[in-house]
Amino acid sequence: GENVEQHPSTLSVQEGDSAVIKCTYSDSASNYFPWYKQELGKRPQLIIDIRSNVGEKKDQRIAVTLNKTAKHFSLHITETQPEDSAVYFCAAGPGGNEKLTFGTGTRLTIIP
Amino acid sequence: GAVVSQHPSRVICKSGTSVKIECRSLDFQATTMFWYRQFPKQSLMLMATSNEGSKATYEQGVEKDKFLINHASLTLSTLTVTSAHPEDSSFYICSATRTGHEQYFGPGTRLTVT
Repeated sequence: GENVEQHPSTLSVQEGDSAVIKCTYSDSASNYFPWYKQELGKRPQLIIDIRSNVGEKKDQRIAVTLNKTAKHFSLHITETQPEDSAVYFCAAGPGGNEKLTFGTGTRLTIIP
Repeated sequence: GAVVSQHPSRVICKSGTSVKIECRSLDFQATTMFWYRQFPKQSLMLMATSNEGSKATYEQGVEKDKFLINHASLTLSTLTVTSAHPEDSSFYICSATRTGHEQYFGPGTRLTVT
């Protein structure tokens, strides 16, 4: 089955700086790579996703890059703000209605 | 659109009793629902995949006789934790999806077994 590794487990960034979280996956059949933000005690919220037919996607301050050959994808948050503090999870799966395998999570803290 | 609800949000039960958690897609028909368990400061671990009208597919290591899943309609799936024990205490989250769309997560149910 799929195995997703995520690094780092914790990340502290000065407000206004950029944050980068990296994930690797094992199953070459995975074609869908979403990123979720989860605040304490709340549900995961999809913040951006990418499919295997593109290498990069951007939405305002958030971007995701995908390298299918190397089986890794990354989340980039620019101009970080205190409200970006949360736990971020990457995930990988075949797409469609198929299941997702989640990474272990990154606790991001933005220092004011 | 794409709202998923869960009930109850919190439940405390005594060891040995059973607890039912409901997951509903409020404004769409969910062809597939997923059940996850999340321990404190850990990731979401998929327990099972549920398709309407068919038996759930359980992940390796998840006891299907202990975690009963029913997906009787396109808008409702239930998870019953039978003979609950303190080690079953966790945050249980469902998600629902339809063809070509992302997974929409419910708000979660915090189960405490005393």
